[in-house]
Amino acid sequence: DAGVIQSPRHEVTEMGQEVTLRCKPISGHNSLFWYRQTMMRGLELLIYFNNNVPIDDSGMPEDRFSAKMPNASFSTLKIQPSEPRDSAVYFCASSPQGGGNQPQHFGDGTRLSIL
Amino acid sequence: KNQVEQSPQSLIILEGKNCTLQCNYTVSPFSNLRWYKQDTGRGPVSLTIMTFSENTKSNGRYTATLDADTKQSSLHITASQLSDSASYICVVSSPGSNDYKLSFGAGTTVTVRA
Repeated sequence: DAGVIQSPRHEVTEMGQEVTLRCKPISGHNSLFWYRQTMMRGLELLIYFNNNVPIDDSGMPEDRFSAKMPNASFSTLKIQPSEPRDSAVYFCASSPQGGGNQPQHFGDGTRLSIL
Repeated sequence: KNQVEQSPQSLIILEGKNCTLQCNYTVSPFSNLRWYKQDTGRGPVSLTIMTFSENTKSNGRYTATLDADTKQSSLHITASQLSDSASYICVVSSPGSNDYKLSFGAGTTVTVRA
């Protein structure tokens, strides 16, 4: 079975540029999560979708960040304009119906470097 | 202050030896506690999920314990292998409108040496 697929695996760009991260969740999973991981702050939840609808985006750092889930098999996280402090590993995770007692399945992340 | 504290921050063990990682939390109310393993350059992988009523759960050579009264959990690795070298993250779930609120520990980095 294919796991959560993220692209690109690595992204290096200059500050001010738009960055788009992509995620394909596991087929049949109805919850999707975007996380950011840094050495200083560890894993942080940015936004959570349930059945393609954003439920909680309180973790999105600021208006430069936006996320969409146009259908059950695709989601994007966009940063515009990007800043050096956005450099981190961004993970997408999905989980099946059943709520909080279900494991979240993580992709291998996108390592983002903003110069 | 982080609501999930893990110790030690890192440890080194010899292949074949056992080790125990600790997780103390203050998150309340409590829904479940998870342990994840994260290999370098990879996403976290779920090892165990324990609810309030469970006090131990195993996944191969990994055994997690939970004391919900003292709000402590441990992850025991038996007969360590080189492939156990990873970061182990303790995650506590709080019941929310959709049961997804997670509080993450900073992780314990385990290095297994031959």
